[in-house]
Amino acid sequence: RKEVEQDPGPFNVPEGATVAFNCTYSNSASQSFFWYRQDCRKEPKLLMSVYSSGNEDGRFTAQLNRASQYISLLIRDSKLSDSATYLCVVNKRGSQGNLIFGKGTKLSVKP
Amino acid sequence: GAGVSQSPSNKVTEKGKDVELRCDPISGHTALYWYRQSLGQGLEFLIYFQGNSAPDKSGLPSDRFSAERTGGSVSTLTIQRTQQEDSAVYLCASREVGAGAHTGELFFGEGSRLTVL
Repeated sequence: RKEVEQDPGPFNVPEGATVAFNCTYSNSASQSFFWYRQDCRKEPKLLMSVYSSGNEDGRFTAQLNRASQYISLLIRDSKLSDSATYLCVVNKRGSQGNLIFGKGTKLSVKP
Repeated sequence: GAGVSQSPSNKVTEKGKDVELRCDPISGHTALYWYRQSLGQGLEFLIYFQGNSAPDKSGLPSDRFSAERTGGSVSTLTIQRTQQEDSAVYLCASREVGAGAHTGELFFGEGSRLTVL
């Protein structure tokens, strides 16, 4: 089983839609979880950290389910500018500092 | 500059040649990472340096790949006897690790695009 798995998509949604991405991880001892965003031919950038209690940043909500070992990202009221690839990131098995990226879920928001 | 700097931004080489890719992390960042990304693919972990600890080299795909980090700052990724499958964007990232630091955020360079003919 891969350390981090994501649905590759693409997710094609209209503006204003709500879209959710899931990510599963294999290391039950993982402590650090993040969502990164990568625009086409650009480097990844941090979107948000994921906390145990769940957290929200504007239109974005991240949740962690430790029992099922998955992380989710919810985007409400999608904007054209949300079109990007969303990367799930978890610390590597046996290392709190080393971070492993999922392959990403591509989102395309259409007018 | 204030960000992670990588060079060269583009490198075209012939199969069998050696290449060196350089990463200059953000000053004060003790953690440094190398990843590679093939076209349309995700980020593949290569190697991780943290302070004076032994690096985690578990992601290096073969013994043709090696990396050093001198003085806890600049890092060089070396690929010997390049193969066509080595063609990818090589991304370097750094992170500040320590009490009170904003842990977790990796700051990436713009990458070095390697093409092996």
